[in-house]
Amino acid sequence: QVQLQESGPGLVRPSETLSLTCTVSGGSISGYYWAWIRQPPGMGLEWISYIHQDGETKQNPSLKGRVTVSADSSKNQISLNLNSVSAADTAMYYCARFIGSGSRWFDPWGQGTLVSVSS
Amino acid sequence: EIVMTQSPATLSVSPGERATLSCRASQSVSSRLAWYQQKPGQAPRLLIYDASTRATGTPARFSVSGSGTEFTLTISSLQSEDFAVYYCQQYDDWPLTFGGGTKVEIK
Repeated sequence: QVQLQESGPGLVRPSETLSLTCTVSGGSISGYYWAWIRQPPGMGLEWISYIHQDGETKQNPSLKGRVTVSADSSKNQISLNLNSVSAADTAMYYCARFIGSGSRWFDPWGQGTLVSVSS
Repeated sequence: EIVMTQSPATLSVSPGERATLSCRASQSVSSRLAWYQQKPGQAPRLLIYDASTRATGTPARFSVSGSGTEFTLTISSLQSEDFAVYYCQQYDDWPLTFGGGTKVEIK
């Protein structure tokens, strides 16, 4: 059974870069799409970006090009970098898998990691 | 961007009663719709995909009707473990978008 675990600093200063890692266990990252999704406290869900192990990526235009995602097959990890953060980026950040271009529902999800942006 | 609108925002239901949740898309998403359940302090869990296909482990009391722009998630007889927030998500077009959620609470 595939399991996902997000990790990274819980506090980031404004204008700096948020960096998170998603470690996948119980299966390979190869052949699947891996997404980042966030949820501000008490609010709804926002898709951020995805990456396929072959390097294909896409990001939500709402993030205005601030997102970089990467995949490391040797470590079975997916990474997210979000630059120039502000308080509006404070959220629970989740990684999740989807199967393919016609099957873009998310399953499973990691437990999430809370990131606060504050000086 | 396809805007997903869920209603009501909060639904108060007694255990054993039926709950009906609505999800509306700003343009047709065909059957490319998923539903998730989120309990406090937990990540969302996939319930339904392709508009009406139950994910592994989703009880039969969860059903969905609709296609295009109007979808309804029905929980036929609410159990204690069903009180949660429910989100719909379209995957017909980029960016992938979610509705604002419906909280199902105990009446």
